[in-house]
Amino acid sequence: ELKVEQNPLFLSMQEGKNYTIYCNYSTTSDRLYWYRQDPGKSLESLFVLLSNGAVKQEGRLMASLDTKARLSTLHITAAVHDLSATYFCAVDGDLNDMRFGAGTRLTVKP
Amino acid sequence: NAGVTQTPKFQVLKTGQSMTLQCAQDMNHEYMSWYRQDPGMGLRLIHYSVGAGITDQGEVPNGYNVSRSTTEDFPLRLLSAAPSQTSVYFCASSYLLGRGNEQFFGPGTRLTVL
Repeated sequence: ELKVEQNPLFLSMQEGKNYTIYCNYSTTSDRLYWYRQDPGKSLESLFVLLSNGAVKQEGRLMASLDTKARLSTLHITAAVHDLSATYFCAVDGDLNDMRFGAGTRLTVKP
Repeated sequence: NAGVTQTPKFQVLKTGQSMTLQCAQDMNHEYMSWYRQDPGMGLRLIHYSVGAGITDQGEVPNGYNVSRSTTEDFPLRLLSAAPSQTSVYFCASSYLLGRGNEQFFGPGTRLTVL
């Protein structure tokens, strides 16, 4: 069964600091997704990573994928309050199913 | 484009009642899915469909039925509501999975079962 694990589950950061969220998965999939969810809202797609070594960046967020290690990272550079949200990684399974990690709740404090 | 729409936004049911959560998309996506979101558990897949007339079970299908008579609509039916079904339900759609197609999510339905 496909499993997707994120850590940490909770992250409290100060503005201006850097940090990384990790996403491990148990399948050989090379398709990984990152989503953002604001409190009480729906999910918004951030990144789609489609091959080993893929790296994508948007503003202060950078995502990468290592399919051999079955690991994706979401790196936050110089955090700002607006980045406070819950971040999910998700992986395509072999049976037309997309499985999500439990999410990382990020709080950025001034 | 309205994207993915869901109704209702909020619903309170009594144990044993049945209801249908509506989901529609106007992007001509083949793939549609239903997830439930519970605190600390991420999103868990209930049912999904790869096209009209085709549905399949996800991780947590018990207590739920779906049908897909058109490309646009994918309703989720709760047959006999239980308190364990209290959750936030999200519908999503995309072009077919397996090709790096991201899913687009609806606004969610917050369901409470008393």
